[in-house]
Amino acid sequence: DTGVSQNPRHKITKRGQNVTFRCDPISEHNRLYWYRQTLGQGPEFLTYFQNEAQLEKSRLLSDRFSAERPKGSFSTLEIQRTEQGDSAMYLCASSLGGSVYNEQFFGPGTRLTVL
Amino acid sequence: ELKVEQNPLFLSMQEGKNYTIYCNYSTTSDRLYWYRQDPGKSLESLFVLLSNGAVKQEGRLMASLDTKARLSTLHITAAVHDLSATYFCAVDGGATNKLIFGTGTLLAVQP
Repeated sequence: DTGVSQNPRHKITKRGQNVTFRCDPISEHNRLYWYRQTLGQGPEFLTYFQNEAQLEKSRLLSDRFSAERPKGSFSTLEIQRTEQGDSAMYLCASSLGGSVYNEQFFGPGTRLTVL
Repeated sequence: ELKVEQNPLFLSMQEGKNYTIYCNYSTTSDRLYWYRQDPGKSLESLFVLLSNGAVKQEGRLMASLDTKARLSTLHITAAVHDLSATYFCAVDGGATNKLIFGTGTLLAVQP
């Protein structure tokens, strides 16, 4: 499978714990995006990487959230001291820079439940 | 701030009927996207529209874009049950090309 992959697919954690999600983009894609989707809503942008550089962060991304993309390949999203309001589907997408369409391809998502 | 609105939010239709989903956005954007999402699944890209008057068709779905009116439509022709899903439009949000999504339209096609 050469699509975007995300791990884990599901994560259940207790409030106050730290969690980390991983995204592996399509191999030749230099652009990587993280989005969050809550039930009944459209995805909301969290952060953007071009290669290894994090170039934009949403106001939604509080200090408890941090994202990395070492070497411009896979990316990780860490949430510290989780809160119940963090429960959501976390989606990763990748695209090829320089394409006129900049079509973003989404991974299957990581569903986070904070108890 | 760029905002995207879709209507209707929920659409129940019978097989064989036609209907249109509307997507309005608040400021100029270079690209408009339509995605499909099945329950518990991720998003599948359907169409990318770039220019005013652009029209794309795939099977029973046809998308169009009017950049002057800041309006895109997704037209469903002779609906079948397999089209039941949530449909999102999204607009290119600027320099980083992040996507700004609408709230989605939940389409339920009844036999």
